[in-house]
Amino acid sequence: EDQVTQSPEALRLQEGESSSLNCSYTVSGLRGLFWYRQDPGKGPEFLFTLYSAGEEKEKERLKATLTKKESFLHITAPKPEDSATYLCAVRGQGAQKLVFGQGTRLTINP
Amino acid sequence: DVKVTQSSRYLVKRTGEKVFLECVQDMDHENMFWYRQDPGLGLRLIYFSYDVKMKEKGDIPEGYSVSREKKERFSLILESASTNQTSMYLCASSRFSIGAETYEQYFGPGTRLTVT
Repeated sequence: EDQVTQSPEALRLQEGESSSLNCSYTVSGLRGLFWYRQDPGKGPEFLFTLYSAGEEKEKERLKATLTKKESFLHITAPKPEDSATYLCAVRGQGAQKLVFGQGTRLTINP
Repeated sequence: DVKVTQSSRYLVKRTGEKVFLECVQDMDHENMFWYRQDPGLGLRLIYFSYDVKMKEKGDIPEGYSVSREKKERFSLILESASTNQTSMYLCASSRFSIGAETYEQYFGPGTRLTVT
């Protein structure tokens, strides 16, 4: 069974303090790993798709990386507006649906 | 831009009522999904559909049904609402993934349903 585990559950940082969020996964034939951002009371917003180990993608202060067992979402010099829950999901071979992790709730204090 | 809309942002219903949640997407996506999201439990898939009139059970289909009569519209039905169905309901859509191709899901704004 495909599984996604995110850590930590919650992370509180000071503005400008860089850190990383972790997404560990087990999946039969990875067809894509997805990162989403979700603000309170809203639907998740798509950020990145990673397909194969070694791949990296960047968007503003966020960089996502992928290995064969996990993905990291690095956040560099974060700002308070980066506060949100970050969700990781995987699609396995032959599947249309995604398996989501529980998310990491990130808070950036000014 | 992909747009997924949901019929209501907030909904309050009584126990035993029949509840309809509507979702519409404007990008001609084949796949549509219904999730519920609860604190500590994350996103859980209720049902999905990859074509008109087709449906597949997700992880928690009990107490729910769905309808997809048109490609752009996917409805979630609570036949007899219960208090344990109080939750945030999220609709999503995506293109149909074939082989190594993979497409992201786009989510609607959510419907906060309260059953009293």
